[in-house]
Amino acid sequence: QAVLTQPSSLSASPGASASLTCTLRSGIKVGTDSIYWYQQKPGSPPQYLLRYKSDSDKQQASGVPSRFSGSKDDSANAAILLISGLQSEDEADYYCLIWHSSAWVFGGGTTLTVL
Amino acid sequence: QLQLQESGPGLVKPSETLSLTCTVSGGSISSSSYFWGWIRQPPGKGLEWIGSIYYSGNTYYNPPLKSRVTISIDTSKNQFSVKLSSVTAADTAVYYCARQGEYCSSNNCPGNFQPWGQGTLVTVSS
Repeated sequence: QAVLTQPSSLSASPGASASLTCTLRSGIKVGTDSIYWYQQKPGSPPQYLLRYKSDSDKQQASGVPSRFSGSKDDSANAAILLISGLQSEDEADYYCLIWHSSAWVFGGGTTLTVL
Repeated sequence: QLQLQESGPGLVKPSETLSLTCTVSGGSISSSSYFWGWIRQPPGKGLEWIGSIYYSGNTYYNPPLKSRVTISIDTSKNQFSVKLSSVTAADTAVYYCARQGEYCSSNNCPGNFQPWGQGTLVTVSS
């Protein structure tokens, strides 16, 4: 079982909100550490969006709009990237990242389609 | 504005060693606040962290790759490099370099990789 599991794809309408989930493998507690989120558009390198550990311990990357936010669902053992007011430019791949067992581990990524 | 640029051969033969260099401009690689990392992405697939290095030479590697990877740093040239030995077709990927973290110490650094280089495709084939 992968350390981080992300749905392979998600579709949402312009103006709506999208919740991208990153589920941690059983035995790894989402509440313990920071989760990092990246956006990657076709043909471009990933871009760091934000870090989320808790509502009192989080970081928004410079220039990233506030409509991108992070949260956690302890009951689902998952981190969430919430994108509100979806725009066509938000269409991209999104990756989560954690520190686990002495390595940085990326999730498999979610392709977000805005249509 | 900090910029990173990867360079190196785009084609490597199986069993040989892949070597890439990342040149940093617009800032010093000798800053004690950051690590410098390598990440790769096979065509059409997800991201995989390879390893990171501190200006002092302190390194840490992804365990599955550790036996084949060496990352080094040349502060006089503002460059850092990665070598991956005994490559196979599974090592075909776009290789990215990136600055890691802020307020890092020699043995602790957060996972905010930014900025990234544009990436370079390395194909392993005979």
